[in-house]
Amino acid sequence: EDQVTQSPEALRLQEGESSSLNCSYTVSGLRGLFWYRQDPGKGPEFLFTLYSAGEEKEKERLKATLTKKESFLHITAPKPEDSATYLCAVRHGSSNTGKLIFGQGTTLQVKP
Amino acid sequence: GAGVSQSPSNKVTEKGKDVELRCDPISGHTALYWYRQSLGQGLEFLIYFQGNSAPDKSGLPSDRFSAERTGGSVSTLTIQRTQQEDSAVYLCASSSRLAGYQETQYFGPGTRLLVL
Repeated sequence: EDQVTQSPEALRLQEGESSSLNCSYTVSGLRGLFWYRQDPGKGPEFLFTLYSAGEEKEKERLKATLTKKESFLHITAPKPEDSATYLCAVRHGSSNTGKLIFGQGTTLQVKP
Repeated sequence: GAGVSQSPSNKVTEKGKDVELRCDPISGHTALYWYRQSLGQGLEFLIYFQGNSAPDKSGLPSDRFSAERTGGSVSTLTIQRTQQEDSAVYLCASSSRLAGYQETQYFGPGTRLLVL
């Protein structure tokens, strides 16, 4: 069964304190791993898509990496405005609908 | 350009009533998805529409839930005889035509449904 597990559930950082969020997945034939950011009371906002092991993508203070079993979202020198819930999702190869399977999310709080 | 829009933003209803939730996808997007996000839960897939193809209804939790998409654009999710466990945020997403690896789903702001 396809499964996505994110850790930690919650993370508190001081401004400038770099860290990483983990997304472990079990899926038959990965057809994309997606990272989204969700602010309270809003819909998920797309960040990155990764397709193959070894791929990396960056956007401002965020960098996403992918291996055959997990993905990391690295946050370098975070700022309070990076506080949000970060969601990981996968799409598997046998799906002809493109539906995403989401993890539970990691809630990040960055204190000034 | 305009993103995915949903209405209403919030809906409070009484147990047993029917509700309709609306989604306007990004213009030109042929794929449309409904997800549900319950308190403390991850996003749960409900239903998928792609062009004129038969929808994938595999995620609908019961026959009280139904959805339609008119003219390949606007979609309505209907919940009949609402129950308290239906309280959640209902999110709609759209994407361009499913074409190999070129699909990213863009989400709307959601409708927050509370069943009393």
